[in-house]
Amino acid sequence: QKEVEQNSGPLSVPEGAIASLNCTYSDRGSQSFFWYRQYSGKSPELIMSIYSNGDKEDGRFTAQLNKASQYVSLLIRDSQPSDSATYLCAVGYGATNKLIFGTGTLLAVQP
Amino acid sequence: DGGITQSPKYLFRKEGQNVTLSCEQNLNHDAMYWYRQDPGQGLRLIYYSQIVNDFQKGDIAEGYSVSREKKESFPLTVTSAQKNPTAFYLCASSPGTIGETQYFGPGTRLLVL
Repeated sequence: QKEVEQNSGPLSVPEGAIASLNCTYSDRGSQSFFWYRQYSGKSPELIMSIYSNGDKEDGRFTAQLNKASQYVSLLIRDSQPSDSATYLCAVGYGATNKLIFGTGTLLAVQP
Repeated sequence: DGGITQSPKYLFRKEGQNVTLSCEQNLNHDAMYWYRQDPGQGLRLIYYSQIVNDFQKGDIAEGYSVSREKKESFPLTVTSAQKNPTAFYLCASSPGTIGETQYFGPGTRLLVL
């Protein structure tokens, strides 16, 4: 059974610090990886997508992918209280683009 | 504005009742998806459709039905066979399939009376 694992948290960081969110997945054939942010009571919104090994940067966000270790992470630099949310890792597999979601990590940025 | 709309925002179901959740997109996306989210759990796929007039079961399809008669619409019916329907239902769409990003609508919260 395909699985995506995340630490549920809460991960608490002070304002201005780097938040590091981690995710492992079980299917070696997975080819697409996504990070979504979900505020309480709202729907997920895309933060980053990554498809190749290495780092991908977008503003304060950096996604890192290591397919050999089946590991994907999200770094948030200069964390702000508005970054406080649940971060969902999603892994895509197969020709149908089915996504498997982790249970999410709750991030709390302390002012 | 382009996007995905879901209605209603809140829906109440009585015992033995079928209810239908609406999902519409004007993004010209080919693929559409329905997920269910329970507290403290990840999203689970109910049904998905890659093209008009075709759809496939996801991981938890029992007690649900869908149709895809138009590219922009993918309604979900929660039938009386679904014994634990209380959840947050999310509709998503993507331009195509392989590796494409899925974008989510605002969700419908279903509660049982």
